[in-house]
Amino acid sequence: DAGVTQSPTHLIKTRGQQVTLRCSPKSGHDTVSWYQQALGQGPQFIFQYYEEEERQRGNFPDRFSGHQFPNYSSELNVNALLLGDSALYLCASSLRGRDQPQHFGDGTRLSIL
Amino acid sequence: QKEVEQNSGPLSVPEGAIASLNCTYSDRGSQSFFWYRQYSGKSPELIMFIYSNGDKEDGRFTAQLNKASQYVSLLIRDSQPSDSATYLCAAQRGDMRFGAGTRLTVKP
Repeated sequence: DAGVTQSPTHLIKTRGQQVTLRCSPKSGHDTVSWYQQALGQGPQFIFQYYEEEERQRGNFPDRFSGHQFPNYSSELNVNALLLGDSALYLCASSLRGRDQPQHFGDGTRLSIL
Repeated sequence: QKEVEQNSGPLSVPEGAIASLNCTYSDRGSQSFFWYRQYSGKSPELIMFIYSNGDKEDGRFTAQLNKASQYVSLLIRDSQPSDSATYLCAAQRGDMRFGAGTRLTVKP
């Protein structure tokens, strides 16, 4: 049973660049959520996708955008990178439905120089 | 006031003891509550979820929820050194809100 997979594992970018992170949900899951986790903090909700649409969004600027594909996989795009965007980006998948448990992937460590 | 608050710790317990982790939340509309374990450098791993007031047990873990007090706890019985990790509490009302985590150390 394949769990949540994310790519790449690590990424180094410079300020002003753009980045795309990818996520494949756990088998059978149709909902994908993205989180940003800074060092020593809990994950912060970015947004959630199901049925290929953004359904909920946290307090993140429009520089953060996403997409979900018909096979339920998802991308997170961040434009005009800032130093403060350096963090662990986590993807979590779940079944659609109110308050279903979410299962996390291993994350992408993004470093901005 | 943070939406989900946890003692940052570190909480240190001897091997075999009961570890008690606590969490409070501010949004009374929160419906579901989750405990995740996160080892250093790894991603969060779901341990328990609880929706109703009272206790829920799974092996060595017991989650407790008191919606009137807006309080969630996690008890770990017979703590093992492998339980040493950061424990994240989360409350969900649509989106999921996490606390900053409590670092637990179990000493052999």
